Amino acid sequence: AQTVTQSQPEMSVQEAETVTLSCTYDTSESDYYLFWYKQPPSRQMILVIRQEAYKQQNATENRFSVNFQKAAKSFSLKISDSQLGDAAMYFCAYYTYNTDKLIFGTGTRLQVFP
Amino acid sequence: NAGVTQTPKFQVLKTGQSMTLQCAQDMNHNSMYWYRQDPGMGLRLIYYSASEGTTDKGEVPNGYNVSRLNKREFSLRLESAAPSQTSVYFCASINRGSETQYFGPGTRLLVL
Repeated sequence: AQTVTQSQPEMSVQEAETVTLSCTYDTSESDYYLFWYKQPPSRQMILVIRQEAYKQQNATENRFSVNFQKAAKSFSLKISDSQLGDAAMYFCAYYTYNTDKLIFGTGTRLQVFP
Repeated sequence: NAGVTQTPKFQVLKTGQSMTLQCAQDMNHNSMYWYRQDPGMGLRLIYYSASEGTTDKGEVPNGYNVSRLNKREFSLRLESAAPSQTSVYFCASINRGSETQYFGPGTRLLVL
């Protein structure tokens, strides 16, 4: 069964600094998608970044980038130049065509200090 | 485009009462999903619908029923609410091609 593990329940970072959130997953599939979603206090689930497993190049969206290590089944999120508005829960998620389902990790709460 | 909308935003029920959570999307997506989110946990899939007229159970379907009324709408029904169903419920639809799910704003349900 596919699983997604986020081993850091909480992380903190100083404003303008860089922080990395970890995610590992377990799968026997070769073709899948990985996502990071942000959930601020409003509870809205906001897509941060997505990665297609067949692409070796790491995805980047402005200050957000990933380190995708397919062999190690690792998908970490790096936030550069952290801002107060980045404070939120961050969820790693995995999708495959075979199940047509999105599987979530348990989340990492990120605090940003001024 | 409104994206994915959900009603109501917040509801309080007594044990044994029934209610229907409504979800609609205007993005012409085929597949739609219902999740619940409990403290300290990620989102867990309750039911999903790959297309109009089809529904399938997810990870935690007990105590719920769904209806895919048409391509736009996917409702979740609690026939006899229990305190264990106190949660935040999210509806989502998926964009084929990017395989990205877009979420509604959530419904916070409290069962007393």
